[in-house]
Amino acid sequence: DVRMTQSPSSLSASVGDRVTITCRASQNIGTYLNWYQQKQGQAPKVLIYATSTLQSGVPSRFSGSGSGTDFTLTISSLQPEDFATYYCQQSYDTAVFGQGTRLELK
Amino acid sequence: QVQLQESGPGLVKPSQTLSLTCTVSGVSISSSTHYWSWIRQSAGTGLEWIGRIYSSGSTDYNSSLKGRVTMSTDTSKNQISLKLRSVTAADSAIYYCARHSGYYSNNGYYTWFDPWGLGTQVTVSA
Repeated sequence: DVRMTQSPSSLSASVGDRVTITCRASQNIGTYLNWYQQKQGQAPKVLIYATSTLQSGVPSRFSGSGSGTDFTLTISSLQPEDFATYYCQQSYDTAVFGQGTRLELK
Repeated sequence: QVQLQESGPGLVKPSQTLSLTCTVSGVSISSSTHYWSWIRQSAGTGLEWIGRIYSSGSTDYNSSLKGRVTMSTDTSKNQISLKLRSVTAADSAIYYCARHSGYYSNNGYYTWFDPWGLGTQVTVSA
């Protein structure tokens, strides 16, 4: 099975900061990588699919990049509503999620 | 607008079978060209994909669940069901159903989970 490793597991940042979260796959998954945001008490919500395509309605401050085994999610300027947990998920071989990155207010 | 709603017992005894239902609105699952998945989330294991079912009834399951899983559809009720046998405390989690969205490209089929249901908490305890 493809394993997904996110880093960091938690991150403290301030409003306006630029933040990058990394996701590494245990084998080449091409660009079959999705990113989700989950707020407390809610289901995950897709932000980016196919590595870099923004889901409709998602602000342009979110971006994704990468291919093969290394991927990044970048938030260019953090807003108060962005403090949440973020998950990557590979869709190359069924579905496997990363362990999550908790983004907290500094 | 497609919406999903999970339902089922919130408490299941160890060794028994967990049974959940996902009611879909906004689209007919029998005519849908999408897969439908169950995903669970616990503090211990994070987000774990359980399995998926297509409108034809074909299924794929997470091998880690060791043959304990069965998914099915009831097209008359527009529902997808999940059965997980021989549960233990490790199966306590929030269970979500979700639709696969996706598209074909030259590189293959890209898919992601959207939308999700609200989730239902299941606790395994005597």
